[in-house]
Amino acid sequence: SYVLTQPHSVSVAPGQTARISCGGHYIGTKSVHWYQQKPGQAPVLVVYGDSDRPSGIPERFSGSNFGNTATLIINGVEAGDEADYYCQVWDTSSDSWVFGGGTEVTVL
Amino acid sequence: EVQLVESGGGLVQPGGSLRLSCAASGFAFSSYSLNWVRQAPGKGLEWVAYISGSSSPIYYADSVKGRFTISRDNAKNSLFLQMNSLRAEDTAVYYCAREEQTGISPSFDRWGQGTLVTVSS
Repeated sequence: SYVLTQPHSVSVAPGQTARISCGGHYIGTKSVHWYQQKPGQAPVLVVYGDSDRPSGIPERFSGSNFGNTATLIINGVEAGDEADYYCQVWDTSSDSWVFGGGTEVTVL
Repeated sequence: EVQLVESGGGLVQPGGSLRLSCAASGFAFSSYSLNWVRQAPGKGLEWVAYISGSSSPIYYADSVKGRFTISRDNAKNSLFLQMNSLRAEDTAVYYCAREEQTGISPSFDRWGQGTLVTVSS
């Protein structure tokens, strides 16, 4: 089955840029979605289709996807961005949704 | 306002059964595919099952195939997950999530708040 690999944690200073990677075999050929989850809350979609933002999500959130790595980019990180972030793709070979293991973002 | 509200969680013994429900409101329920996603304590998200708006097709994660059954009642705007032969490793918060067709691939644009299932003797 398809596997998505994320770093366990990322630390970033306020105002700096956080980059969260999501590795997968030829993931650049898939459409990647990203979710933010704060403690005790349900996940929230922050980026879909590699780089698009749902309404209400700040422009600070963006994404890219090429080759074997997709990346969620958070510009001008704020304290409120502290959360776990998960990437997701649809695996056509197994007809299943796949989530990455999640990355904990800490704002220093 | 779109709402998804899960219910039916609780404590069950290994080998037991439980039926989860997800009540939906604020959107054309039958037009949307839905999913169950779970999260074990302190762990990441795990997709469990998918059902289309018409109830076909249906897909399951290998970890629950043959034990769990997803279904829906479009007349009652409700989604269900029948869980049988429960194991300790099924302990998790279970979320229902709506799929929205976004670009070339759908994504989960709305989630419920989750219901906790604990499998323990």
